[in-house]
This record gives sequence, structure tokens and C-alpha cells, in this order.
Amino acid sequence: DAGVIQSPRHEVTEMGQEVTLRCKPISGHDYLFWYRQTMMRGLELLIYFNNNVPIDDSGMPEDRFSAKMPNASFSTLKIQPSEPRDSAVYFCASRLSGTGSRETQYFGPGTRLLVL
Amino acid sequence: QKEVEQDPGPLSVPEGAIVSLNCTYSNSAFQYFMWYRQYSRKGPELLMYTYSSGNKEDGRFTAQVDKSSKYISLFIRDSQPSDSATYLCAMKGNTGGFKTIFGAGTRLFVKA
Repeated sequence: DAGVIQSPRHEVTEMGQEVTLRCKPISGHDYLFWYRQTMMRGLELLIYFNNNVPIDDSGMPEDRFSAKMPNASFSTLKIQPSEPRDSAVYFCASRLSGTGSRETQYFGPGTRLLVL
Repeated sequence: QKEVEQDPGPLSVPEGAIVSLNCTYSNSAFQYFMWYRQYSRKGPELLMYTYSSGNKEDGRFTAQVDKSSKYISLFIRDSQPSDSATYLCAMKGNTGGFKTIFGAGTRLFVKA
């Protein structure tokens, strides 16, 4: 299995521009998570989906952030308009529902975003 | 007060040392306790997983959970330079919808 795939790996943009981050979860996983990681705030959960349906978006910082999951194999996180304080590493993770070690989340390599 | 507290370090030890990493938490509903390892410029990967209280050993790694004290630990024996990474504790409740809460991560450096 290729694992969780994220694109792009690096993104540099100017303030005010729209940014779209993409994620392909592990095939068969029914949960998908979007996280943001910064030195100051650590790893923060932004939103998560179960069977393509958004379950909890309470971590989304502002209306400038939106996320979609049109099908089981693809999700996007969009920031519009972007601001310098959005600079961070954005991780996508997926997991399979169930108990025990199935609680494990598998993380992608992350997208390193820099907003100038 | 954060739900999960973890000292960010950095922690620097010589090769071969025993390393102790710790987290405290406030939510008594947490039942699943995990340790993730994150190498520089990589995503976190699961290292150890424990359900409820007790110890779990895997090679050089031992995870301990003390629910009465709301305290979890990860011990690394015979530490190696390849163990240099950030270690994040993570916890989750026993209900399917509960989110996994991560600690801030402790940066560990093992010097050869």
C-alpha cells in the first residue's frame, strides 16, 4: 500500500491567494483527518470525516478554511484567502474504524505551507 | 489547561542511555493511549499502543499507563542515534466519535 498521499509537498504563496491541499487516504479506510502542526501550537485537529461525511469541524480556525471529501479516495483542504499566520505543516491522516489497534491513524508526509 | 500536557524538551542523552518521556492528562474518559514518533520533515507514525492501564513492551520500548494518576510514560532502553526524533503522546476516549488528542511532542536527541 502506498500509504496516505498528500500534494503538494511544499507550497509557497502570497497573502490573499487561494491554497488547495489534497489528500488520498489509504484504500478502505473510512476516517480521514486534517491536522495542522506548528511549533507554537503543536498538532491540531482541524476536521475529520467518517464515510466522506464531515463529523467535527470545530478545529477549523476560521471561515477562510473549508474541507471537502467528495469520495472515499480524495479530500481537499482549502484556504481562501490565505494569511501569513496560516503558515504551517498540514497533515492528512486516515484510519479504519474498529477497536484496539485499529485506533491507529496513518499520517501522510504533510504539506509545508508558507504564506508570504 | 490543556487536556494533554507534554514537556517539549529538547531532551539530549548519550547513546545507550535510558530515556523516559512522559505526558499527563486531565480527561478521565481517555482509554486509548498511543505514542507516535515523528522524524524531521515526516509525518507522525505509531510507535506504541496501549488500552487502559498497564505496561506494554516492544523491543527497546516500554509504554506505561497509570490511569489513577493520569500519567503515561514511554521508556527507551539502549537509546540509539536513530531514536532522535519528536515523540508525541496521543489519547482517545472509548466512544467512536471521540477525537484523538495529541501532546505537543518532546524532541529527543541521542548523541553518538
